[in-house]
Amino acid sequence: DTGVSQDPRHKITKRGQNVTFRCDPISEHNRLYWYRQTLGQGPEFLTYFQNEAQLEKSRLLSDRFSAERPKGSFSTLEIQRTEQGDSAMYLCASSLLQGLTDTQYFGPGTRLTVL
Amino acid sequence: AQTVTQSQPEMSVQEAETVTLSCTYDTSENNYYLFWYKQPPSRQMILVIRQEAYKQQNATENRFSVNFQKAAKSFSLKISDSQLGDTAMYFCASSYNNAGNMLTFGGGTRLMVKP
Repeated sequence: DTGVSQDPRHKITKRGQNVTFRCDPISEHNRLYWYRQTLGQGPEFLTYFQNEAQLEKSRLLSDRFSAERPKGSFSTLEIQRTEQGDSAMYLCASSLLQGLTDTQYFGPGTRLTVL
Repeated sequence: AQTVTQSQPEMSVQEAETVTLSCTYDTSENNYYLFWYKQPPSRQMILVIRQEAYKQQNATENRFSVNFQKAAKSFSLKISDSQLGDTAMYFCASSYNNAGNMLTFGGGTRLMVKP
C-alpha cells in the first residue's frame, strides 16, 4: 500500500517564474486536499477535490494559483508569477470519504523557495 | 469558522515519562472531528489519534490517549512512556463535514523527548 506522493520534493525558483507541483493520492481515495505550511506554523487549507470536482477554495488561493485533478486521480497545483511570499511547504493529503467522515493522509510535501 | 489554539509552543519530557499537550478549539458546529497529527523533523505529517465529537468515550491508540472535554472545548493529548521517536511537532486539528472536512490546524507544539 503506497502512501501519498508528491513531486518535486524541493523547488527553487526565481520571482516571477511559474511552478507546478504534482500530488498522487492513495489509490481509490476520492478526496484530495492541498495545504500550505510556512515555517513554524500549522498547515492552512488551500483547496480540495472530490473526485475531479474542485469543491472549495480558500481565500488564500489567489488568482495566481490554480489546481486541477483531471480524471479524479493525481492533482497539480500551479503558481503563476511566483512571489517571495509564496515560499512555503505545500502539502497534499488524500482521504476516502465514507458517509460523512474521512481521515486525511498526508504526503511528504513540496518545499518551494522563491528567490 | 473554526479556530484551534495550542498554548504550549515547546515542551520537553524525559524518556519513559508522561506528557500532556494542550489544545482548545472553538466551533459552532455540532458534528465535528478532532485530530492530533505528528510531524517529525523533515518528515511527513502522521495521524496520531482521532476523536468524533459525538462520542463521549476518549480515544486511545497504544501509548496515546486524549482527554476530550466537549463543554470546555478542550482536547488534550497524553503520551505515556515517552520514547525518543516521539520527538516531533504535534498539531491539533478540527474538521466538520459541512465544510468538506477540511482541517483547521493549531500552531503546533514542539515536543522534545530527552534521554
